[in-house]
Amino acid sequence: ILNVEQSPQSLHVQEGDSTNFTCSFPSSNFYALHWYRWETAKSPEALFVMTLNGDEKKKGRISATLNTKEGYSYLYIKGSQPEDSATYLCAFNLRQFYFGTGTSLTVIP
Amino acid sequence: ETGVTQTPRHLVMGMTNKKSLKCEQHLGHNAMYWYKQSAKKPLELMFVYSLEERVENNSVPSRFSPECPNSSHLFLHLHTLQPEDSALYLCASSQDLGLGQPQHFGDGTRLSIL
Repeated sequence: ILNVEQSPQSLHVQEGDSTNFTCSFPSSNFYALHWYRWETAKSPEALFVMTLNGDEKKKGRISATLNTKEGYSYLYIKGSQPEDSATYLCAFNLRQFYFGTGTSLTVIP
Repeated sequence: ETGVTQTPRHLVMGMTNKKSLKCEQHLGHNAMYWYKQSAKKPLELMFVYSLEERVENNSVPSRFSPECPNSSHLFLHLHTLQPEDSALYLCASSQDLGLGQPQHFGDGTRLSIL
């Protein structure tokens, strides 16, 4: 079993604040790193798939970076809004997916 | 709407019951997955099917029995479950088993074992 660590476990921010969280994964035999957004009572939704060291992907106010040599990815949210409240999961993709436990984000209006 | 539909959304059953969870995907994908999510734990992969053939079985107890009659449908048959099997069961699909393909998830079935 491969260990994928996410930090922090939970986070409360004020509306308008920018925030970021971390996903750490085993850096050897890297293939792909996935980020998902999971709102309560809904299904996890794919945000980004990242494969190359130094990759940076962006979708609106959300962006992610990847460092495969040191084994981490950051997810950034600029100007957080209440609708950004969700659990953000990362998954290390080798032969199968290995998920972290997620970062639960609450944006306070 | 993710294109992956799971039924039922909630299920309560006794330890001696037999029930089935159903998953259907409308995305034309070739690979389907069952995951289990218990409180405070990461998503755990249970089974993987590619083109209707099981390609992965992650040491899941035999009281869970998957079935994939075609590439659009996936079932999880349940019998004589234990209280520790209470969890959220998620189905997912992807274009194929290729690395780097994102998975599309259903809303899950919340299972409670009495």
